[in-house]
Amino acid sequence: AAGVIQSPRHLIKEKRETATLKCYPIPRHDTVYWYQQGPGQDPQFLISFYEKMQSDKGSIPDRFSAQQFSDYHSELNMSSLELGDSALYFCASSLGDIIRDETQYFGPGTRLLVL
Amino acid sequence: AQTVTQSQPEMSVQEAETVTLSCTYDTSESNYYLFWYKQPPSRQMILVIRQEAYKQQNATENRFSVNFQKAAKSFSLKISDSQLGDTAMYFCAFRNPDTGANSKLTFGKGITLSVRP
Repeated sequence: AAGVIQSPRHLIKEKRETATLKCYPIPRHDTVYWYQQGPGQDPQFLISFYEKMQSDKGSIPDRFSAQQFSDYHSELNMSSLELGDSALYFCASSLGDIIRDETQYFGPGTRLLVL
Repeated sequence: AQTVTQSQPEMSVQEAETVTLSCTYDTSESNYYLFWYKQPPSRQMILVIRQEAYKQQNATENRFSVNFQKAAKSFSLKISDSQLGDTAMYFCAFRNPDTGANSKLTFGKGITLSVRP
């Protein structure tokens, strides 16, 4: 079965640079979530999109922005990168129109290292 | 706001034995979803099992089963016949049932499970 695809899988950036993370949800899934997991920590919710509209926002810095496109893929844009942004970034997708089956399936994550 | 608590940071179990991982949560909602996710050293987040709060029957998936106590707000995971491949971090997670807004997962801090040969 098709899974969530994230690219790139690894990314190394310098401080103050910009990074773009991409997420391709499972086919027919219309809801995308972004999570950030620091070393030794639990995943923290950043932002989500349902049918190409932002549906919820968590502890996402103002330096970060995201959007969901017409094909349902999503991009997380991160600017003015800081050392503390080094983390594993997960994208998850779900099928939002079946209320009782909204299990979130996670991609493999993008490991971002800011030097 | 919902909170999820996993008070045991680490556990160890002998291969082929049974282990139970604890999780408690706090919510004012009457209907919600609870999940256990497994994160092996590869750091992939893998769904282990899901429980819907309105269902009284405990969920089971092969060697994995849960003990869901709604009144006590407890959601423990039992792993039977532990295998070396079960070595991983296990996260308990809570989800509001609404579509769109407020459907994010809230995770506990996780528990590191080591299976000894």
